[in-house]
Parts: sequence; C-alpha cells; structure tokens
Amino acid sequence: GAVVSQHPSRVICKSGTSVKIECRSLDFQATTMFWYRQFPKQSLMLMATSNEGSKATYEQGVEKDKFLINHASLTLSTLTVTSAHPEDSSFYICSARRDSHTNYGYTFGSGTRLTVV
Amino acid sequence: DQQVKQNSPSLSVQEGRISILNCDYTNSMFDYFLWYKKYPAEGPTFLISISSIKDKNEDGRFTVFLNKSAKHLSLHIVPSQPGDSAVYFCAASTYGGATNKLIFGTGTLLAVQP
Repeated sequence: GAVVSQHPSRVICKSGTSVKIECRSLDFQATTMFWYRQFPKQSLMLMATSNEGSKATYEQGVEKDKFLINHASLTLSTLTVTSAHPEDSSFYICSARRDSHTNYGYTFGSGTRLTVV
Repeated sequence: DQQVKQNSPSLSVQEGRISILNCDYTNSMFDYFLWYKKYPAEGPTFLISISSIKDKNEDGRFTVFLNKSAKHLSLHIVPSQPGDSAVYFCAASTYGGATNKLIFGTGTLLAVQP
C-alpha cells in the first residue's frame, strides 16, 4: 500500500527560528501534495496544494512567505515555517495523492507536532 | 466559512450497538465524499468513500449514506467495537481534475464503551 513518511514527528524550536518539515511518498510518485494544519479539537485546515515542479497554491489567509513549500520531486515536499512564533505551534500533516484525476490515493503522513517556545 | 460540518463534537456508544456519525455540507459542487479515522498525533486513515451518483456504499462494518438533496451524509458502524474509538472526519471534494482537494469537517470524537 501507499506510504507517506513525515519527518520530524515532533519538534520544539525557539521563537524567530525556522523549521523544515519533510513529506515523502515512499512507494509511489505523488503528483500532488497537500499541507494541512490542525489546531486542538479542530478540523484539518488545508494550507496549500503543491504540484511537482511548480509553485504551491495557498489557501486564503495562509501567508506564503511564512509557510514556504517546495515540491522539488515526485516523492518529496517540504514545508518550512519561517521566523516561527508561538502562535505557529500546531499539528501539521501532509498528504500525497498518486493520481491527479481521481480521488483515490490520498495518503496522509503521521503528522508533525510543532511547538514554538 | 466551514463548508463541511459535523455538528456533534462527540458521541458515546455501547459496544455492539450502532454508531451513527453525521456530516453536512454546503457546497453543491462537492460530488465525492470520504470518511477518515484519526488517532491523536497521527495522520488520518481512510475508511470509506462515496460518489454522488450513489446513495449508499458499504464495506464490512462501515456503511456511508448520502442524501444529496439534504446535502447530508452519515457513517454507520455496526457493530461498534472499542477499537473504533477515535476522531472521525468527513471530507468532501469535487471528483477528478488536477486541482481537486479535500475539505474536512470538524470531526466527531467517538467513544465505544466496553
């Protein structure tokens, strides 16, 4: 089955520093990857959609300069939280889709708990 | 603007009984719906899906019902088991196309009591 590896699972960083989160599809090529953010007891909010080799499409209200997304290959997407602040503390989850023309094959990573102190 | 809503934040059910989780949506362009199960600090796991051309899809203990006129879907789990205890999210998207994406509901915490 399709496996998506997300790393790190937990990270604590100081305010003002940047943190990079990786999302890898291990056994398939992901044409599209998605980044979600989940606040405590709330839904998964889509932050951005990234297609390999092109710029990410950000959802309304998401700062593209703060949440840098790179999708350099069909198996790797990265999310960099720049100049992190305590309000950026959250649970970030990536998802990879195998086929752009169906809804099948959305596979999620295990998430990253970011704590900014 | 929450396009997909789950109005019950939590549900408690006895083991062996039926669990019914509900989901409402507002965007009439949605035509594909999915249910995910999620444990704390983990990513969602796909359970079952349904396209708008159907009104029911069944997979083992899980059945999803879709009422397009009411913009409502539900997930039935029968019989419920303690291992089913988790947060359940419904998600919606438009079928096919390179730009479709999943929009998630607010989640329902299911607790199955032994």
